[in-house]
Order: sequence, then C-alpha cells, then structure tokens
Amino acid sequence: GEDVEQSLFLSVREGDSSVINCTYTDSSSTYLYWYKQEPGAGLQLLTYIFSNMDMKQDQRLTVLLNKKDKHLSLRIADTQTGDSAIYFCAERRLQKLVFGTGTRLLVSP
Amino acid sequence: SAVISQKPSRDICQRGTSLTIQCQVDSQVTMMFWYRQQPGQSLTLIATANQGSEATYESGFVIDKFPISRPNLTFSTLTVSNMSPEDSSIYLCSVQETSGNTIYFGEGSWLTVV
Repeated sequence: GEDVEQSLFLSVREGDSSVINCTYTDSSSTYLYWYKQEPGAGLQLLTYIFSNMDMKQDQRLTVLLNKKDKHLSLRIADTQTGDSAIYFCAERRLQKLVFGTGTRLLVSP
Repeated sequence: SAVISQKPSRDICQRGTSLTIQCQVDSQVTMMFWYRQQPGQSLTLIATANQGSEATYESGFVIDKFPISRPNLTFSTLTVSNMSPEDSSIYLCSVQETSGNTIYFGEGSWLTVV
C-alpha cells in the first residue's frame, strides 16, 4: 500500500527508553526522517538517516533502519516529560515527504 | 538551520472568503513546499512552490483552490480560496536546504473557518 504506518500511542515512565516504530512502503526512498510536534507547534526536525545506513546516533536519539523489512525505529534514551509530543516518521520519495500517521508519546513522572 | 517565518500564525475566517499565508526563509533554499495537516491527522503535501513558474500540485489539490506564488528563493505565499469549514487545518511551509538533505518546517498557520 501507499501508507506509512506507525502505532498511535506509546506511554512510558520518565527515565525509561522509548522506542517508536515506523513501517514505510517505498524501497527507493533515499532518506527517512523523524519529526516531533508539540501541542500548538509546527514540526521540529529531530534527525534523518540515509537509506544505505542501518543506524544513526545523535545524543539521546538512536535511529535504526532495516531496509529489507522497510522498518524504521526511533529510540529515545532517558525519556523526559518534555519529550511528550507526537512523533512523525516520513519517507522521502523524490522531493516529496510522505508522512506516517504519527505516534503520541506520553511520558509520566 | 533555516529559520522559517509564517504569517498569520492563526486566523478565524468566514466561509467563502480567501486568505493568503506568507512564508519567509532567512536563507536561500532550493525547494519550498506547502503541506496541510487536518485536525488530528498527519501531513499531506499540497504542492511544490517553484520559483518564477507555476507550482506543482499533488493529486487532489488544484491551483484555483490553492494558488501559490514564489517570486524569489526565500519567499512564498499560499492562498486558500473560497474557504469552507473543511479547510480548517494547519498549513505548513517547508523548505529543503541547498545541501539537499535537511527539510525544515515553519510553525504553521492554524486556520479555522466558521
């Protein structure tokens, strides 16, 4: 299908790790992105990964890419209450971004 | 990273009117895009704003409803024409930097049509 899929909701406790999963569809996608959207705000670019890489780490964020299964994940270490937001994955098809459905992350104290 | 300013940030509009949203970037960028995010939904690309020529629209979006201008490398406008309540959405400007890899979004323009 055409859809980029994410689980809708994830709840974790402060200090735990969060793992947000994404399944994309186009094996020719060149880059895959993760964005964060806080209430009432636009999209903040968190990180992106080139399709020929399988891992990228940036401070508390780790992106894993399984190209064979078209599966992307974002791990947030030591999750904080300020990480509560909606997280979108997006695959880049030529110049266009196709977004996932978004995962709402709730971090409780 | 590119800094993107959108105006207005929010507006309440009357049915049947039109509204123009502006997007200004603080550096020259190769690509500018307009996305729509309907309430509680993900983002959908409306069109690619091309400098000095007509925008390239995605399936389901037409120029008469969403006219777009891009007179230079740092500025674009999106007009939402003849609005109805179904047009109530967040409209987001996006830019792709000259490096080609990083794609940023503005804070969005939150439109409510009554």
